[in-house]
Amino acid sequence: DTAVSQTPKYLVTQMGNDKSIKCEQNLGHDTMYWYKQDSKKFLKIMFSYNNKELIINETVPNRFSPKSPDKAHLNLHINSLELGDSAVYFCASSRGNTGELFFGEGSRLTVL
Amino acid sequence: KQEVTQIPAALSVPEGENLVLNCSFTDSAIYNLQWFRQDPGKGLTSLLLIQSSQREQTSGRLNASLDKSSGRSTLYIAASQPGDSATYLCAVKRNSGGYQKVTFGTGTKLQVIP
Repeated sequence: DTAVSQTPKYLVTQMGNDKSIKCEQNLGHDTMYWYKQDSKKFLKIMFSYNNKELIINETVPNRFSPKSPDKAHLNLHINSLELGDSAVYFCASSRGNTGELFFGEGSRLTVL
Repeated sequence: KQEVTQIPAALSVPEGENLVLNCSFTDSAIYNLQWFRQDPGKGLTSLLLIQSSQREQTSGRLNASLDKSSGRSTLYIAASQPGDSATYLCAVKRNSGGYQKVTFGTGTKLQVIP
């Protein structure tokens, strides 16, 4: 009965490859997010979707493309991976009336 | 632009002590403020959520307060336990350009020594 689940939890890949991270929430929330946590543990918003529509894109390189097939899913596809993309990526969703955020366990991406 | 600062960056206390973690923000026009804990290698666990109209929220040994006028929130932990050891993050949500934007603080790493 996991609320926000993301896969895979760990991802190790070579520079230049393309990879995807999937996220699903079973909370019935309308808004979903992708956050990046860097090596200094600072969390920064990347994208936000509301009812499958993109509402926030925080100057993320075009190599990152989010896709929301429905309200419960928000996937992140990354093309031509670079060393600097190594980080932990967190998916989150929020409740409409209170705005409370719920996070997944994170996906640790390592680019070699 | 909202900036969120947490002081101290790290804190080490003996078990049983009461402690206060601080969160400061520059733009007082907030929607809500949420406190999280993050254990190593894990996701963020929501602790308390304070709406902009509220002054405080309590859950068990935790009490969070909000003072919008001074741009501050505090998280009070009573009778600390080793299991409280984690990084604590505050997140401030505000309305920006027709949508809500969340800014995270830099975190306070807490160690409770048995």
